[in-house]
Amino acid sequence: ETGVTQTPRHLVMGMTNKKSLKCEQHLGHNAMYWYKQSAKKPLELMFVYSLEERVENNSVPSRFSPECPNSSHLFLHLHTLQPEDSALYLCASSHRHNDSPLHFGNGTRLTVT
Amino acid sequence: GESVGLHLPTLSVQEGDNSIINCAYSNSASDYFIWYKQESGKGPQFIIDIRSNMDKRQGQRVTVLLNKTVKHLSLQIAATQPGDSAVYFCADSTGNQFYFGTGTSLTVIP
Repeated sequence: ETGVTQTPRHLVMGMTNKKSLKCEQHLGHNAMYWYKQSAKKPLELMFVYSLEERVENNSVPSRFSPECPNSSHLFLHLHTLQPEDSALYLCASSHRHNDSPLHFGNGTRLTVT
Repeated sequence: GESVGLHLPTLSVQEGDNSIINCAYSNSASDYFIWYKQESGKGPQFIIDIRSNMDKRQGQRVTVLLNKTVKHLSLQIAATQPGDSAVYFCADSTGNQFYFGTGTSLTVIP
């Protein structure tokens, strides 16, 4: 149990589908993150929500849309994805304003067909 | 931009031996460093961290060494066990930005 729960664990979707990834943290942290993990590449930061304010990586395509309704829940809405978007999507949380590590969930393995 | 790299993509060690996994970072302003372990089908799991005002920190069977002069970070695992088989990667942080390496896959040979 990591304290960060992601659902679903696996998702297969077509390029015209709309789906959402969900993340919930039980650690009392004040920041939540979406990362993309592709084979043989470093973790790529997509979005950060700190105290419910969004900070984003400007290179993330608009077909990815985050939502953070409160400090414990984070969503990633997916729309019109491409096959190259297939990857492991990791949610993490942390105490934003301290030297503290990110705590990750087990990820959603996304396959776009 | 930031570059965080691990020296070897794969490492095999005999069970019971010590393992050393290395990492180099490029940003001299980085002040916080973390090692993660990622097992197959799981997310990265925090192992140990170290701040830039220290050069060594020990945990249970693990030691992190930081050499700020050459911007080098290492993870030492004592008496490596089969359950230590995983991908290990380092991260460094400046302010609230984290930069990750690509990982070293550790295989423990029984």
